[in-house]
Amino acid sequence: GENVEQHPSTLSVQEGDSAVIKCTYSDSASNYFPWYKQELGKRPQLIIDIRSNVGEKKDQRIAVTLNKTAKHFSLHITETQPEDSAVYFCAASKGSNYQLIWGAGTKLIIKP
Amino acid sequence: DTAVSQTPKYLVTQMGNDKSIKCEQNLGHDTMYWYKQDSKKFLKIMFSYNNKELIINETVPNRFSPKSPDKAHLNLHINSLELGDSAVYFCASSPGLGETQYFGPGTRLLVL
Repeated sequence: GENVEQHPSTLSVQEGDSAVIKCTYSDSASNYFPWYKQELGKRPQLIIDIRSNVGEKKDQRIAVTLNKTAKHFSLHITETQPEDSAVYFCAASKGSNYQLIWGAGTKLIIKP
Repeated sequence: DTAVSQTPKYLVTQMGNDKSIKCEQNLGHDTMYWYKQDSKKFLKIMFSYNNKELIINETVPNRFSPKSPDKAHLNLHINSLELGDSAVYFCASSPGLGETQYFGPGTRLLVL
């Protein structure tokens, strides 16, 4: 079955710098890749997603890139701010009728 | 209006007790889920229901029993609570399996 690996497990960056979190997946049929942000004590919330017919998607300071050949996708956050501190989860799915498979999460710490 | 709601928000109970957590979604989604998130923050899927029918039942002790009275509700009943059941339990819903999931606020369960 599908397996999603997420790295690093913890990432500490200086405020204003960029942060990159990477996920690899095993099933080449996967075609939907969402990213969720979970602030301390809160629920996970979708921040951006990408489908396999697109290589990159951007929303203000966050972007996701997808490399189907290498079977990995990454979350990029530019100009990091204190409110970016959270746990970020990636996930992958083969689409409708298939379960969403989750990465283990990355704790992002923004140092002032 | 809250899209996915759970009650109670906090639950403190003694070992051996039986407790229930309720979940409701007003998004008109067909699929609902229960997740367990322990102190290590990993999101572990427990159950998935589609149109009131169980479609995914991960390796979960049979002390945990989900019940879906209708498409908008998925409740979780836990018998004979153990210390290791202490965690945050999230309900979620999505239009269909493998699609974007929307999470409830979580129920923080502490078993003493």
